[in-house]
Amino acid sequence: ETGVTQSPTHLIKTRGQQVTLRCSSQSGHNTVSWYQQALGQGPQFIFQYYREEENGRGNFPPRFSGLQFPNYSSELNVNALELDDSALYLCASSYPTAGGNGYTFGSGTRLTVV
Amino acid sequence: AQKITQTQPGMFVQEKEAVTLDCTYDTSDPSYGLFWYKQPSSGEMIFLIYQGSYDQQNATEGRYSLNFQKARKSANLVISASQLGDSAMYFCAMRESYGGATNKLIFGTGTLLAVQP
Repeated sequence: ETGVTQSPTHLIKTRGQQVTLRCSSQSGHNTVSWYQQALGQGPQFIFQYYREEENGRGNFPPRFSGLQFPNYSSELNVNALELDDSALYLCASSYPTAGGNGYTFGSGTRLTVV
Repeated sequence: AQKITQTQPGMFVQEKEAVTLDCTYDTSDPSYGLFWYKQPSSGEMIFLIYQGSYDQQNATEGRYSLNFQKARKSANLVISASQLGDSAMYFCAMRESYGGATNKLIFGTGTLLAVQP
């Protein structure tokens, strides 16, 4: 079975720009969640997509948006980038009710906003 | 509010010794799951062990065991026979049951473990 792949691995953007991060889903998983991990912190839940619809969201502004495609891969879009958006962005695929080792995380995208 | 607390920013342990990483949680949901993940410098989250709120036995996975004390709301990770490769950041996380629709994980701030030869 394939794991979760995130792209790109690193990128640098200028404040005010827009960015799109991508995440594949592990074979058989239909749910994708996105997390933001600032330096020295634990990951914070951004939102989750299930069957191409957002069905859970954390405390993030609307400029953080996403998509899920029919093959269950997903995109995270961030508009009007701010310096505080610099972080590691992780995605995780799973089944709708996951326990144990039911989550598979990607290696993340390191975003730097200058 | 749901919360995970890890009070040890950093820990040292000698190779081949055991180490306990602390985790306390707060939730009003009777159904929840507790996870421990290892995050090396590469960034990926590596699953270590899971404990469901209704599980009667403490979870074990190889050298990892979870000391689950429900009344105290604690879920400490015990790593036996530490190895140099265990040096990494360790996160405790909790999943709550929102009717099964949301797989939101709440993470603690992590503990950086350094294994010394």
